[in-house]
Amino acid sequence: DAGITQSPRYKITETGRQVTLMCHQTWSHSYMFWYRQDLGHGLRLIYYSAAADITDKGEVPDGYVVSRSKTENFPLTLESATRSQTSVYFCASSLRVRTGGYGYTFGSGTRLTVV
Amino acid sequence: GESVGLHLPTLSVQEGDNSIINCAYSNSASDYFIWYKQESGKGPQFIIDIRSNMDKRQGQRVTVLLNKTVKHLSLQIAATQPGDSAVYFCADPPLAGTYKYIFGTGTRLKVLA
Repeated sequence: DAGITQSPRYKITETGRQVTLMCHQTWSHSYMFWYRQDLGHGLRLIYYSAAADITDKGEVPDGYVVSRSKTENFPLTLESATRSQTSVYFCASSLRVRTGGYGYTFGSGTRLTVV
Repeated sequence: GESVGLHLPTLSVQEGDNSIINCAYSNSASDYFIWYKQESGKGPQFIIDIRSNMDKRQGQRVTVLLNKTVKHLSLQIAATQPGDSAVYFCADPPLAGTYKYIFGTGTRLKVLA
């Protein structure tokens, strides 16, 4: 989606390696989110951020770390990748948590495979 | 916990026919719902929302119906086109003071030529 960019689009990594997924938005949205999407599950929130230097855990934070030193960037790091972290990861941004009328803006996703 | 769920994982529809995608939710306190469309290789994209004080909302070729009595939503797509092929899911946005956005698992709409 225009305005929110995720990189890389595809990543294969080995078990135990550290990997960082990048997210960059140009909307100046206060809120940013990381979700993972797996078959049989809806999108599940990993971490979210209300502003620069403010982050908090979502539903499934174990094994992940985030930072937000600048409003526009919200990288997600898998400290020691496991096969259960094989998934499609989506970054999203929004002006507010409760949007009404427009929803969140999502990136195109990163497909991560841990072998 | 609270949930939203879609009734069918896959729906196949002839091009030009109308499509109906269903969703059930569990949280009686939810005050609005959103439908997202997710095309292959892309992130979810907002289609339409409906507030809990409404029974029906229309957009361009799409209509959302809300039945609060049975906690059921439906998304109707008129004159389905090949470009409508995607996964559709309903979502229950966070209540005030929370960050928990509940997403359904999705129905894959296949448009047959």
